Amino acid sequence: GAVVSQHPSRVICKSGTSVKIECRSLDFQATTMFWYRQFPKQSLMLMATSNEGSKATYEQGVEKDKFLINHASLTLSTLTVTSAHPEDSSFYICSASRGQGRRELFFGEGSRLTVL
Amino acid sequence: RKEVEQDPGPFNVPEGATVAFNCTYSNSASQSFFWYRQDCRKEPKLLMSVYSSGNEDGRFTAQLNRASQYISLLIRDSKLSDSATYLCVVKRDTGRRALTFGSGTRLQVQP
Repeated sequence: GAVVSQHPSRVICKSGTSVKIECRSLDFQATTMFWYRQFPKQSLMLMATSNEGSKATYEQGVEKDKFLINHASLTLSTLTVTSAHPEDSSFYICSASRGQGRRELFFGEGSRLTVL
Repeated sequence: RKEVEQDPGPFNVPEGATVAFNCTYSNSASQSFFWYRQDCRKEPKLLMSVYSSGNEDGRFTAQLNRASQYISLLIRDSKLSDSATYLCVVKRDTGRRALTFGSGTRLQVQP
């Protein structure tokens, strides 16, 4: 079964509104979660690394004031797309790893955002 | 230059065919390598890790050539259910812990 759950799976919103996406690790604690974005027919691009109890680390070119990340607990990270615009429409996927050593990353089911 | 490069395909093959995908990576600091599978509009799922000695899992064989910074995936006896996009993924085990994805190679197995 799923070990990382993401919600909502689909969201449609009007331009200018904010949308929050949740990512939960279901049976393990994740001190670090990753947020990716995938545009059609393109690869997953890392947006930011979410660190529990501290500020997220953003990749170059990703606006931290537009994509707010909160990792308030060991099992939950949220991504808020603020003042969404049509160009923000994309597939947003979170991931987390568990265990030591050669870690497999588990992915959430993804959230498809459509901004009208 | 992209950090991980793949032929986007699509590869259209008949059932039962053998198909091979290639991938190159540019960062020699990369230490861990994987093949993920992604179905349309779904999240990626781990297919297999790739080890220096090469490894096999059923019909799937992965190879790594560190000197050439090259990774391959071989699928034998293709099934219709193998149709998906295959993502070559690398990770540095120090510093940044996230995965870097290739853009994927699309496989369509036809009856």
